[in-house]
Amino acid sequence: ELKVEQNPLFLSMQEGKNYTIYCNYSTTSDRLYWYRQDPGKSLESLFVLLSNGAVKQEGRLMASLDTKARLSTLHITAAVHDLSATYFCAVESFYFGTGTSLTVIP
Amino acid sequence: GAGVSQSPRYKVAKRGQDVALRCDPISGHVSLFWYQQALGQGPEFLTYFQNEAQLDKSGLPSDRFFAERPEGSVSTLKIQRTQQEDSAVYLCASSFQGFLTDTQYFGPGTRLTVL
Repeated sequence: ELKVEQNPLFLSMQEGKNYTIYCNYSTTSDRLYWYRQDPGKSLESLFVLLSNGAVKQEGRLMASLDTKARLSTLHITAAVHDLSATYFCAVESFYFGTGTSLTVIP
Repeated sequence: GAGVSQSPRYKVAKRGQDVALRCDPISGHVSLFWYQQALGQGPEFLTYFQNEAQLDKSGLPSDRFFAERPEGSVSTLKIQRTQQEDSAVYLCASSFQGFLTDTQYFGPGTRLTVL
């Protein structure tokens, strides 16, 4: 069974700072997804990464994929409070990570 | 419709009861997914449809779980003889094409509580 691990599980950061969330997976895959989930809400698709070296950016979030290392990163630049949420990566549409709960402190 | 809708939003069942959860995908979306999300966990895949065909049901945890999408639009997830471990939020998602690379649009979920 494919395993997907995220770290950190919990992240508290100050506004204006940068940080990276990591997503490791256990078997070969070239499809990696990132989602955002606000408390008590459903999931919102952020990025779909389909090939080695893929990089996508939206606002203060940038996602990348290294299929050889089986690693994806979600980089947060100059965090703002509105980014507070839980972020999930998922492989193959089917296998989700444990999530990273991000809190941005004013 | 404007987005994926699910009903009911909340369901309380006594252990042993059967429940049916409905998902209305975005009109014209080919693919439909069901996920189970326990409190504090990431979603776990249950099953996947392309139009009316159920292409993958490997995530259904037992034969008490059954899903259908008879006309390729609305889908129903049925759980028979509910158990306490079935308590979770059940999420439905749809995507436009039949490719697993498409962006998924999620519904608000149905929170099932089994007493």
